[in-house]
Amino acid sequence: DIQMTQSPSTLSASVGDRVTITCRASQSISTWLAWYQQKPGKAPKLLIYKASTLESGVPSRFSGSGSGTEFTLTISSLQPDDFATYYCQQYNGYSQWTFGQGTKVEIK
Amino acid sequence: EVQLVQSGTEVKKPGESLKISCEGSGYSFTRYWIGWVRQMPGKGLEWMGFIYPFDSDVRYSPSFRGQVTISADKSISTAYLQWSSLKASDTAMYFCVRLRTSIAARTYFDYWGQGTLVAVSS
Repeated sequence: DIQMTQSPSTLSASVGDRVTITCRASQSISTWLAWYQQKPGKAPKLLIYKASTLESGVPSRFSGSGSGTEFTLTISSLQPDDFATYYCQQYNGYSQWTFGQGTKVEIK
Repeated sequence: EVQLVQSGTEVKKPGESLKISCEGSGYSFTRYWIGWVRQMPGKGLEWMGFIYPFDSDVRYSPSFRGQVTISADKSISTAYLQWSSLKASDTAMYFCVRLRTSIAARTYFDYWGQGTLVAVSS
């Protein structure tokens, strides 16, 4: 099974900060990686797929990069609505998905 | 507009059975895999299994095979997740999700239901 490890687990930042979250896969997954945002009590929301493709309607301050085993999610200028938990997910296989453990972005 | 609307909160006792539902609308229900994701209190996301309503092909995560049953009624565009005998450890939020493509390979979850909270306690 492919394991996904996110870092950090928690990140404290201020509005306007540039924020970067890292996700590492235990083996190469090419660019078969998605990022989701989850707010408390709500369902996760798809932000990015294929490592760097922004889902329709997602603000352009979100971006993703990486391939192989190392990936990043960047928020260029953190907004109040962005305080949430972010999950990466690999989807390299057939009927096989794994999420990272999540990164909580909180107010500094 | 694609929507997945789930049934409401359930409070059950250990040993009881349960079936929760997820109704899809705004797309061709039979042509997209639909499935379930568990989130235990304060924890991360785990995929449980998916069904292709067109032919009822089901894929289970090894972690959940034998523990739950996934089914669908395409006549009413609804997918189900059921337990025959609940345990306290089944207490969690359960989300239904749709796969972006009609093939369950190299695809991700594009739409999510609002979640169904299942609480199991004696």
